[in-house]
Amino acid sequence: AQRVTQPEKLLSVFKGAPVELKCNYSYSGSPELFWYVQYSRQRLQLLLRHISRESIKGFTADLNKGETSFHLKKPFAQEEDSAMYYCALSGQGLYQAGTALIFGKGTTLSVSS
Amino acid sequence: EAGVAQSPRYKIIEKRQSVAFWCNPISGHATLYWYQQILGQGPKLLIQFQNNGVVDDSQLPKDRFSAERLKGVDSTLKIQPAKLEDSAVYLCASSLGTGLLDEQFFGPGTRLTVL
Repeated sequence: AQRVTQPEKLLSVFKGAPVELKCNYSYSGSPELFWYVQYSRQRLQLLLRHISRESIKGFTADLNKGETSFHLKKPFAQEEDSAMYYCALSGQGLYQAGTALIFGKGTTLSVSS
Repeated sequence: EAGVAQSPRYKIIEKRQSVAFWCNPISGHATLYWYQQILGQGPKLLIQFQNNGVVDDSQLPKDRFSAERLKGVDSTLKIQPAKLEDSAVYLCASSLGTGLLDEQFFGPGTRLTVL
């Protein structure tokens, strides 16, 4: 069955430390992977997608099809990075006909000084 | 641009009662999604519309949930009758097109508590 796994419920780091939020997926087709973020009292919003291959707010993510992973990384965490992060998957055949996302359970990132 | 609007923001009902949620997507967005997010879980699709037609309702519990998007703009999601396990945040999202890579813009959600 298609699914997205985020093994860590909570990740706590100090300001300036490297961050890696893990995401693994299970899907037999060609995946489209995304990271969405929800800051406190804000709505869920797109952080980045693998196809863009860009760095957003210092975050990058590389799709590794061999390991079926899409880990989110940042070399130096900032306090404003504290939020809930969701990994999401899209692809042909995930649903009956649509283009909706399958989300992981999310990882709370807490950055303290 | 104005974001996706949802109302009400909070709703508390007793089991077996009915409830309805409203969503107004970003102007011009053809695709509208309803997701259910239970505490501690990621959002899960309930239904996807393109304009005023249903694209995918395979995950919608049709014995109690219904949704419509008349005129291809606003949408309503209804639960009748509600069960305790329906307590969740109901998220509406919209996207400009129907592509797999189209960014989905989310509303603030409606938090439903069923007692």
